[in-house]
Amino acid sequence: KNEVEQSPQNLTAQEGEFITINCSYSVGISALHWLQQHPGGGIVSLFMLSSGKKKHGRLIATINIQEKHSSLHITASHPRDSAVYICAVKGGSGGGADGLTFGKGTHLIIQP
Amino acid sequence: DGGITQSPKYLFRKEGQNVTLSCEQNLNHDAMYWYRQDPGQGLRLIYYSQIVNDFQKGDIAEGYSVSREKKESFPLTVTSAQKNPTAFYLCASSIVPFWGNQPQHFGDGTRLSIL
Repeated sequence: KNEVEQSPQNLTAQEGEFITINCSYSVGISALHWLQQHPGGGIVSLFMLSSGKKKHGRLIATINIQEKHSSLHITASHPRDSAVYICAVKGGSGGGADGLTFGKGTHLIIQP
Repeated sequence: DGGITQSPKYLFRKEGQNVTLSCEQNLNHDAMYWYRQDPGQGLRLIYYSQIVNDFQKGDIAEGYSVSREKKESFPLTVTSAQKNPTAFYLCASSIVPFWGNQPQHFGDGTRLSIL
């Protein structure tokens, strides 16, 4: 079973700062997801990656398959970015409805 | 707008009672999932369903039961056999069963507490 580690666990930053959240996993994967959980509990899917880099607005996600590592970056951070960011991986060769392995999340607070 | 609706948002259970959490989706997705979230832990899969009238146990199915009689509905029952039911429960869906490689959609969750 894949082990997923996120760092940092908690991060407090000032508005406008560049934010990086890291995710490492132990075995090869077919896809990696970045999710955002709002204070009320609902979860939104931000990115799904299998290689390279994706960008959406101020959010950028990268993955290095060889190093088994992904990063989520937030540029020009804003208080509305405050949330828990969760990394999840789908291991193996793909296929098989056995769900994902989730990290414990990074709790991000952006102060005005 | 299409999405997943979970109800209720907050639920309280007395010792020995069964309770049912509702999950409805209007995304026309084949696959649906239930996850449990505890403080300081990652989400854990309880049950999943790839198609109507079929479902499979996840990693922590003991003390839970599900049904999938309709494509849009996947209710979760927390039975009295679940000894530590206090948690946040999330329902999710994906367009096809091999969902690790497909984007998933989540509901807003139900917080269950024991009285």
